Amino acid sequence: QSALTQPASVSGSPGQSITISCTGTSSDVGGYNYVSWYQQHSGKAPKVMIYEVSNRPSEISNRFSGSKSGNTASLTISGLQAEDEADYYCSSYTSSSTWVFGGGTKVTVL
Amino acid sequence: QVQLVQSGAEVKKPGASVKISCKASGYTFTSYNLHWVRQAPGQRLEWMAWINAGNGKTKYSQKLQGRLTITRDTSASIAYMELSSLSSEDTAVYYCALRAAVAAFDPWGQGTLVTVSS
Repeated sequence: QSALTQPASVSGSPGQSITISCTGTSSDVGGYNYVSWYQQHSGKAPKVMIYEVSNRPSEISNRFSGSKSGNTASLTISGLQAEDEADYYCSSYTSSSTWVFGGGTKVTVL
Repeated sequence: QVQLVQSGAEVKKPGASVKISCKASGYTFTSYNLHWVRQAPGQRLEWMAWINAGNGKTKYSQKLQGRLTITRDTSASIAYMELSSLSSEDTAVYYCALRAAVAAFDPWGQGTLVTVSS
């Protein structure tokens, strides 16, 4: 199972919005609404930000939103803040009853 | 609250095996699946396997099939991950993560560093 494709890095100024893409195939991202997004700060365990494409855990800021079109899912961070600087990973369920992660995207707040 | 606590760091020689534990609390252990995910230094997250804590059914990544064994002890609410024939490429932080009512990994254990070195 190949990793999902994410841009290596995305940057933005405080207050701006950025979007991270996550491209898979019809056997994973495109086939199921089981895409989730994780934030990982250096040396820490990942933390779920979005689950099932567009749902946000209650403790997560509404500045984070998710969507999907075809085989590509997206995570948008609006009102970018310094604390958002981290690595972000997408994940999807697959037709093999396994899961796959993306390559990760480093978000830099300028 | 739901919590996953993993065993401590390990140092192993090439060819050896390692067994890591993940103790769950704060929910009914047999109700959900536990997953294992690893992250080599500076690399991406890699999904490894899941176990249905209720019936013990497992699913492994194709890459690790044959070297990886996931088990659980329902009486102690602990899941185990055993990886054999270790090489330097297995040096990584290993995480357990819960997949409960929604399709997401939440929460995660604190991670266990496994270093494979001669």
